[in-house]
Amino acid sequence: QKEVEQNSGPLSVPEGAIASLNCTYSDRGSQSFFWYRQYSGKSPELIMSIYSNGDKEDGRFTAQLNKASQYVSLLIRDSQPSDSATYLCAVNGGYSGGGADGLTFGKGTHLIIQP
Amino acid sequence: DGGITQSPKYLFRKEGQNVTLSCEQNLNHDAMYWYRQDPGQGLRLIYYSQIVNDFQKGDIAEGYSVSREKKESFPLTVTSAQKNPTAFYLCASTGIAASGNTIYFGEGSWLTVV
Repeated sequence: QKEVEQNSGPLSVPEGAIASLNCTYSDRGSQSFFWYRQYSGKSPELIMSIYSNGDKEDGRFTAQLNKASQYVSLLIRDSQPSDSATYLCAVNGGYSGGGADGLTFGKGTHLIIQP
Repeated sequence: DGGITQSPKYLFRKEGQNVTLSCEQNLNHDAMYWYRQDPGQGLRLIYYSQIVNDFQKGDIAEGYSVSREKKESFPLTVTSAQKNPTAFYLCASTGIAASGNTIYFGEGSWLTVV
């Protein structure tokens, strides 16, 4: 069974600093990796997706993937209080072309941005 | 607006009662999913469907049932066999041809046993 591991936190970061969130996964066949943000009582919203080794940047967010180490990370630059949420790492399997058996989620890291 | 609509947002179930959560999408997505989330926990897959009239069990299917009679609809029934149904239920979908098979979520349904 696929496993996705995250530090549950809370991770406390001062406003304006860089928040670094980490995730490891067990299935070497995984090809698609996602970061979702979830506010309390709300559904997850997609922040970043990454499919190949290296960095992918989108605004203040950077996703990093290292398939050899089975490691995914999310960096949030210039952290804002509105970034305070739970961040879920999710991994798909090796199925080509679609969602197939769905995503396997980590339990999430609770991020707190201190004003 | 395109999206995934779940209803009801809040639902109360009595012991021994079956309840059905609705999920409708107008995104023309092929695959649909039901996840369950318990407080402080990640999401766990209950059932998924890749095409109409076909669906597969996820990790925690016991006590649940689904149907996929239309591409747009994937209702979830929580049966009396589910002994601990109080949770946040999330419906999601993706297009099989969509790049990277990104999954999008509805707003969720809260189910409480009373």
